[in-house]
Amino acid sequence: QVQLQESGPGLVKPSGTLSLTCGVSGDSIGWWSWVRQPPGKGLEWIGEMHQRGSANNNPSLESRLTISLDKSKNQFSLQLRSVTAADTAVYYCATRDTSGAPRWGQGTLVTVSS
Amino acid sequence: EIVMTQSPATLSVSPGERATLSCRASQSVSSNLAWYQQKPGQVPRLLIYGATTRATGIPARFSGSGSGTEFTLTISSLQSEDFAVYYCQQYQAWWTFGQGTQVEIK
Repeated sequence: QVQLQESGPGLVKPSGTLSLTCGVSGDSIGWWSWVRQPPGKGLEWIGEMHQRGSANNNPSLESRLTISLDKSKNQFSLQLRSVTAADTAVYYCATRDTSGAPRWGQGTLVTVSS
Repeated sequence: EIVMTQSPATLSVSPGERATLSCRASQSVSSNLAWYQQKPGQVPRLLIYGATTRATGIPARFSGSGSGTEFTLTISSLQSEDFAVYYCQQYQAWWTFGQGTQVEIK
């Protein structure tokens, strides 16, 4: 069964870059996604990358967003530039396993504050 | 972008009663629909995927139905641990989520 684990700084300064990595074990359908949830709010899809290199991003974040994949390290990454307090959220990495079921990491809280 | 709309926003139910939650997609998502349960401070827990398939370890009182644009999550007899927020998610084209339904004790 596929397992995912997020890692990265829990505090980022305003106007800085939020950088997270997701370590992966197990098989998936090949699409790797990021989702976030601001405190007390709903779930927002950030974007996804396929293992063959194609990507889709949430249009509301696309200008600030880079998702990349490092197959040699079995991990994929998120970079979100020019962050503000509105980017404070729990960030989850996710995929779908070979049966098609969505699978999520445990999530990591990132706070944007000086 | 496929917009997912859940109803109602809040559902008040007594323990032991049946709960029916709805999710509508702005265009067809076929059966590429999942349901999650989330409690405060916890990761969303996958209940249903493929619109009707229960995830591993999910009790039989949870069932999903529908295809295309109309979907339903039914909890046949609410237990105390079922009071939570429920989200639907489509994965037909990218991912989008409904705004959630809060199931509260009546």
